[in-house]
Amino acid sequence: QVQLQESGPGLVKPSETLSLTCTVSGGPMTNYYWTWIRQPPGKGLEWIGYIFYTGSPNYNPSLKSRVTISVDTSKNQFSLKLNSVTAADTAVYYCARNRVTMTTSNFDYWGQGMLVTVSS
Amino acid sequence: DIQVTQSPSSLSASVGDRVTITCRASQRVSTFLNWYQQKPGKPPKLLIYAASSLQTGVPSRFSGSGSGTDFTLTISSLQPEDFATYFCQQTFNTSPITFGQGTRLEIK
Repeated sequence: QVQLQESGPGLVKPSETLSLTCTVSGGPMTNYYWTWIRQPPGKGLEWIGYIFYTGSPNYNPSLKSRVTISVDTSKNQFSLKLNSVTAADTAVYYCARNRVTMTTSNFDYWGQGMLVTVSS
Repeated sequence: DIQVTQSPSSLSASVGDRVTITCRASQRVSTFLNWYQQKPGKPPKLLIYAASSLQTGVPSRFSGSGSGTDFTLTISSLQPEDFATYFCQQTFNTSPITFGQGTRLEIK
């Protein structure tokens, strides 16, 4: 059974960088895309970006100037960095596996989520 | 961006009811449309992918249909564990991938 687990600081100061890591277990990272999604408290889902296991990222244009996603398959991990954060970046951050075929692209396994609060 | 609009935003129903949720995309997305269920404090769970394919382990009372711009998620006979929030997602255009705003399904 594939499992994903987010880790990192739960509190980040305004203007600093939010850094999270997702550890993947129970399955390979190869041949999959790995994605980050966030959900502000009580609100909907926002896709942040994904990265292929070979290291090719694709970011949401609304966040592209502030986001970096990287992957380290030797550690079975991928990471998110979001810089210059504000209170609007307060959200539950999820990592997920993005399964892509000729007929579908979907998020079939998710981490439990991690609340990150931006506050001084 | 491809906007994805769900309706209704909230819905009250009873156990045993047949329920339909609609998702409309602002541009054609072929069948690159997925449905997720989310319960409070939990991550979303994939229910339907490619518009109509049932994810492994999901009960057969869930079904999806549609292509192009109009899609539906149907629950044939509501069970107590189905009361949750449902999201649709388009992955046809990945710049960006977008979700519907969610439909909250509540007990009547």
